[in-house]
Amino acid sequence: GQQLNQSPQSMFIQEGEDVSMNCTSSSIFNTWLWYKQDPGEGPVLLIALYKAGELTSNGRLTAQFGITRKDSFLNISASIPSDVGIYFCAGQLGSNYQLIWGAGTKLIIKP
Amino acid sequence: DAGVTQSPTHLIKTRGQQVTLRCSPKSGHDTVSWYQQALGQGPQFIFQYYEEEERQRGNFPDRFSGHQFPNYSSELNVNALLLGDSALYLCASSGINSGANEKLFFGSGTQLSVL
Repeated sequence: GQQLNQSPQSMFIQEGEDVSMNCTSSSIFNTWLWYKQDPGEGPVLLIALYKAGELTSNGRLTAQFGITRKDSFLNISASIPSDVGIYFCAGQLGSNYQLIWGAGTKLIIKP
Repeated sequence: DAGVTQSPTHLIKTRGQQVTLRCSPKSGHDTVSWYQQALGQGPQFIFQYYEEEERQRGNFPDRFSGHQFPNYSSELNVNALLLGDSALYLCASSGINSGANEKLFFGSGTQLSVL
C-alpha cells in the first residue's frame, strides 16, 4: 500500500539533545498528523496540522505543515528518556477517510 | 472512561483458518476503523465502519470483511489466512463531530500470528 517517506529510520541521541524528523510525499495532503507508538500499544496522537505553513506546538514538540502540502516535520526539544519510542507521520488526502502512514522513526536514547 | 478495547490481545492460527477480532470503541464514538501493522511498518488502512456500513475500504482482498453492531462495536474477519496476514491489527475509533480522521483513538491491538 501507499506510504509516506519518513526519515530518518532511527535516531540514537543523548538525553537533552534536540531531535528532528520529517515526512515527504509525492501527493498533496490536507491534513498531517504525528503519532507516537510505544511497545505493545496503539499509536497516540501528538500533533494535528490542517493548513499549509501551520506551525503547532505541544509541550516540547513542534510540528509544521509544509508550504507545498507535500511534507511535514516534527521537532522534539531537550529529549528525555520517556521520549523513546516510534514516531509516525500520517496524512489525509482530500476528504478520504483513510490515513496514509510513514514507516516510522525509532528514537533511542544512548545510555 | 474506557478507551478503545480490543480482544483478544494475541492469537495464533494456522494457514487456511479463519479469525475474528473484536473492538469496542471509546465511549461516545460511533466510527470504527481497522488498520493492519506489519512488523517495522506503519499501519495500513483496511476499512472504516459508520452507521453499521462499510464507509471506505483500503487495498485489501475480500478475505478481509467486517461488521459494525448497533452499539458501535465492530468485528474484523479474515478468511483463508495466509502467512502474510501475520501482523498487529489495530482498531481506532472517532466521534461523529471529529472530522474525517482527527482525534482517532487507537486500541492496543491484536497480535495475530499465522503458522
